[in-house]
Amino acid sequence: DIQMTQSPSSLSASVGDRVTITCRASHNIGSYLNWYQQKPGKAPKLLIYVASSLQSGVPSRFSGSGSGTEFTLTITGLQPEDFATYYCQQSYKTELTFGGGTRVE
Amino acid sequence: QVQLQESGPGLVKPSETLSLTCSVSGGPLSSYYWSWIRQPPGKGLEWIGAVSHSGSTSYSPALKSRVTMSIDTSKTQFSLHLSSVIAADTAMYYCARQRDYSGQFDIWGQGTLVTVSS
Repeated sequence: DIQMTQSPSSLSASVGDRVTITCRASHNIGSYLNWYQQKPGKAPKLLIYVASSLQSGVPSRFSGSGSGTEFTLTITGLQPEDFATYYCQQSYKTELTFGGGTRVE
Repeated sequence: QVQLQESGPGLVKPSETLSLTCSVSGGPLSSYYWSWIRQPPGKGLEWIGAVSHSGSTSYSPALKSRVTMSIDTSKTQFSLHLSSVIAADTAMYYCARQRDYSGQFDIWGQGTLVTVSS
């Protein structure tokens, strides 16, 4: 299995802040890294795919970068609706795996 | 637009088989993989497995011995069967559409809570 490690596991931020979440893979996964947002009681929502491509309809304040084993999700100008939990997911290998999540509060 | 809807029992007894169905509306099954993902209460996401439109499957190594997935293209549905369930299988179960090449889950069902208890 490819292990995905997110950091931090939680962070405290304020509206307008720039927030950065890191995801590290145990093996080189190229750019096969996706990011999701999940709010309480809701299904996850795709934000970023293949490391840096913005999913249709997702605000441009969300951006992704990285390749190989280290990846970053950045929220530039945090909005009230962005307080949620964020997950990374690798799709390099057929056996897909998620990171443990980062709660933004 | 494509929508996914999970259905199945909300309560399953230990040692029995958990069976769920995901109904797909508004789009074709072809050209995608169709996955099941679960989330125990208060915990993170765990991919269970996927089935292609042609019926080929891939499963999480951790669950492989207990999981079977199938697809019915005539009914635009796909199914999950998880055998010999235990309390640790209690979770919200989501079905999701997985893009074929890049592997992201771009459409999700709302989820269904399955509790394993006698």
